[in-house]
Amino acid sequence: AQSVAQPEDQVNVAEGNPLTVKCTYSVSGNPYLFWYVQYPNRGLQFLLKYITGDNLVKGSYGFEAEFNKSQTSFHLKKPSALVSDSALYFCAVRSYSGAGSYQLTFGKGTKLSVIP
Amino acid sequence: ETGVTQTPRHLVMGMTNKKSLKCEQHLGHNAMYWYKQSAKKPLELMFVYNFKEQTENNSVPSRFSPECPNSSHLFLHLHTLQPEDSALYLCASSRELAGGNEQFFGPGTRLTVL
Repeated sequence: AQSVAQPEDQVNVAEGNPLTVKCTYSVSGNPYLFWYVQYPNRGLQFLLKYITGDNLVKGSYGFEAEFNKSQTSFHLKKPSALVSDSALYFCAVRSYSGAGSYQLTFGKGTKLSVIP
Repeated sequence: ETGVTQTPRHLVMGMTNKKSLKCEQHLGHNAMYWYKQSAKKPLELMFVYNFKEQTENNSVPSRFSPECPNSSHLFLHLHTLQPEDSALYLCASSRELAGGNEQFFGPGTRLTVL
């Protein structure tokens, strides 16, 4: 069965420093991987995805993610953190649910706090 | 915002009440989803509709009853809920089920069952 793991419940980083939010996955076949962000009292917002091609994927708000097949990882990164990046981040993998249908399996989420 | 709206944003109900959650997407998508988000737990997929047809029911109790009258609207009818059903209920849509299409989420309905 497909799954994703976000090993850190919380990540703290100083404003202006680089940030990394970790995600590892387990899938059969080629993975389709996604990152979402959730601000307080809001739904999830799509940040970026990897389907095929370059291992470094660029997304919204200056975020990027690096796909590493050998380490089965898809870590989210940003060169310089902003206080406004403080939010809950979710990694997700597309999983096959039968009869030609797919769904997203989400990790438990990582709370990012950027300290001024 | 994201093109997916949900009403109401907050709902408090007793265990014997009947209520409905509404979701509407303005994106021209064909697939719609209901998720349950509880504290400290991963998002739980509840139901999936593709072109108005239900394709997934992830062992959801019958006290939750979905309805999809057309590709733009999705309802979740609630009756005789339990306190453990208190959570944020999120609706999402995507262009189609297959492929690498990302899902677009609404802001959610915060449900409290007394």
